[in-house]
Amino acid sequence: SQQGEEDPQALSIQEGENATMNCSYKTSINNLQWYRQNSGRGLVHLILIRSNEREKHSGRLRVTLDTSKKSSSLLITASRAADTASYFCATDALIQGAQKLVFGQGTRLTINP
Amino acid sequence: DAGITQSPRHKVTETGTPVTLRCHQTENHRYMYWYRQDPGHGLRLIHYSYGVKDTDKGEVSDGYSVSRSKTEDFLLTLESATSSQTSVYFCAISATDTQYFGPGTRLTVL
Repeated sequence: SQQGEEDPQALSIQEGENATMNCSYKTSINNLQWYRQNSGRGLVHLILIRSNEREKHSGRLRVTLDTSKKSSSLLITASRAADTASYFCATDALIQGAQKLVFGQGTRLTINP
Repeated sequence: DAGITQSPRHKVTETGTPVTLRCHQTENHRYMYWYRQDPGHGLRLIHYSYGVKDTDKGEVSDGYSVSRSKTEDFLLTLESATSSQTSVYFCAISATDTQYFGPGTRLTVL
């Protein structure tokens, strides 16, 4: 079962616009991470936010975390064609007594020129 | 891809045959993971390792086994491949919270 659920499943915007993706999760977490996957490639880590943090920035990326709502958002500002990819949130969760990462199904982002 | 290679990158096999996928890292990270990625299911953990000869099951481990005899290598074996195991398989490594992924192996079981 998925811990994180991304919304929307697909997003198409014009180059230069901002893109916002959301992630909701079910159980308490220690941290939440966002990854990007370009078509046919492995996932690449973007940013990690800990449960005691509310907002984090990295370049054009801004991540927020609301533990009371069990949700996070990823904002990409001034989007570029190279941002076209799938974006996944991942939360740590207990699986068979050990801490693991559990990934959502992802948001497919398309940036149109 | 952070010093992670997977082999083979593509494989087509027949139902009932054994298949072994290899993950090799040059980062000396303690933790290694095998995931499968399928449309509609995202990334799901198959098995993971927390050290040489130390492995455990993930959420979709049935039909798979793993071995880790050296820090740098983590093998995933399908003892008798089935069509439901057609997927893209990713290896990942980590030292702390962040995972680094290999390029993936596309496996087709006919």
